[in-house]
Amino acid sequence: SQQGEEDPQALSIQEGENATMNCSYKTSINNLQWYRQNSGRGLVHLILIRSNEREKHSGRLRVTLDTSKKSSSLLITASRAADTASYFCATADSNYQLIWGAGTKLIIKP
Amino acid sequence: EAGVAQSPRYKIIEKRQSVAFWCNPISGHATLYWYQQILGQGPKLLIQFQNNGVVDDSQLPKDRFSAERLKGVDSTLKIQPAKLEDSAVYLCASSPRPYGQPQHFGDGTRLSIL
Repeated sequence: SQQGEEDPQALSIQEGENATMNCSYKTSINNLQWYRQNSGRGLVHLILIRSNEREKHSGRLRVTLDTSKKSSSLLITASRAADTASYFCATADSNYQLIWGAGTKLIIKP
Repeated sequence: EAGVAQSPRYKIIEKRQSVAFWCNPISGHATLYWYQQILGQGPKLLIQFQNNGVVDDSQLPKDRFSAERLKGVDSTLKIQPAKLEDSAVYLCASSPRPYGQPQHFGDGTRLSIL
């Protein structure tokens, strides 16, 4: 079953702009993870945020978590053509099983 | 550190035939996962191994899918007989431990059923 729901399903922006995608989930979690998938490749882990954390940064990535709203957002600043990919959120439930969303397809236009 | 290796990268078979996929996880990773990813969807867990024991196979269609992880290292996933709806990318991932840790993925096997 899929718990995370990413929004929007697709996003197209100009290079240099910021990209924001959101993830909502239904049940309590231990942590939430964001992954990137380039076309024809496997998923690459980007960042993990624990349920007791509210914000994390990694390079140009900023992730926020609001457990009261059961939602998370991923912000990519100063986007580049290489950021074109699908982005997935995955939530680790009480049994630490990862449950995946359907992803946001991000296109960066040069 | 070498990544997760999978083979083959592509496979085309006819329905009712059998197929097998191979995965070699990152050295030292005790936990291995097989996922099915249908185009436009997120990964769906088929089976999770901890060393050579099965932790979760609740979504594995056991009438046609089987998987093993001999000696707690390499793993194979088999489909027999294949159906049209099995067309998907089969991803293998590994992690040092099972407890919601980041997973490292291979590039997958793209399976097409004719």
